[in-house]
Amino acid sequence: EVQLVESGGVLAQPGGSLRLSCAASGFSFDSYGMSWVRQAPAKGLEWVSVISGSGGSTYYADSVKGRFFISRDNSKNTLFLQMNSLRAEDTALYYCAKYSHYDSRGYPDYWGQGTLVTVSS
Amino acid sequence: QSALTQPASVSGSPGQSITIFCTGTSSDVGGYDYVSWYQQHPGKAPKLMIYDVSKRPSGVSNRFSGSKSGNTASLTISGLQAEDEADFYCGSYTSGSTWVFGTGTKVTVL
Repeated sequence: EVQLVESGGVLAQPGGSLRLSCAASGFSFDSYGMSWVRQAPAKGLEWVSVISGSGGSTYYADSVKGRFFISRDNSKNTLFLQMNSLRAEDTALYYCAKYSHYDSRGYPDYWGQGTLVTVSS
Repeated sequence: QSALTQPASVSGSPGQSITIFCTGTSSDVGGYDYVSWYQQHPGKAPKLMIYDVSKRPSGVSNRFSGSKSGNTASLTISGLQAEDEADFYCGSYTSGSTWVFGTGTKVTVL
């Protein structure tokens, strides 16, 4: 059974940094792309970023490009999202999602329960 | 990376069929057969309902079906049931190797 457990969400200051983690189990982690998707309170889903199975390819939404960085540690089956220069509009529930394929040419198929990031002074 | 366009709400009576449309561009929905649909109940994580335009994951009811024509994809729910009341989002692969979601549709069972 695929399991994804996010952590690291907290109250952060505007301009600050935060690192989210996602512990994965139940599948061959390094064989699949992984992504982050966020959902602001009472709003829709927004795709944030994807990383290939090896970590060699990464892609970002324009709204976070240059501020957020996705990475993975395949030896520990863990996905990360480094969030810098945080803004109020980054406030959201952040979901970790497994991709259906090794690289970005796929779709999110399994989701964690999310971790809440609140950016406020 | 503009969000795909969906109607804000769709409703139907139990047993009826409803269709949700998802409109994009030739750079996303129209350019690839990588369209998915997700169901999200309040306070829950999204669940994959349709992938590759019209394929159903194991365990998803055959009351859910998907199709695409040009830049518009659609999700049809037949034999509407009370448990189908939820938010639905479409999504598509894009020419920039990214992914884009739709604006979301609230399905209400009358």
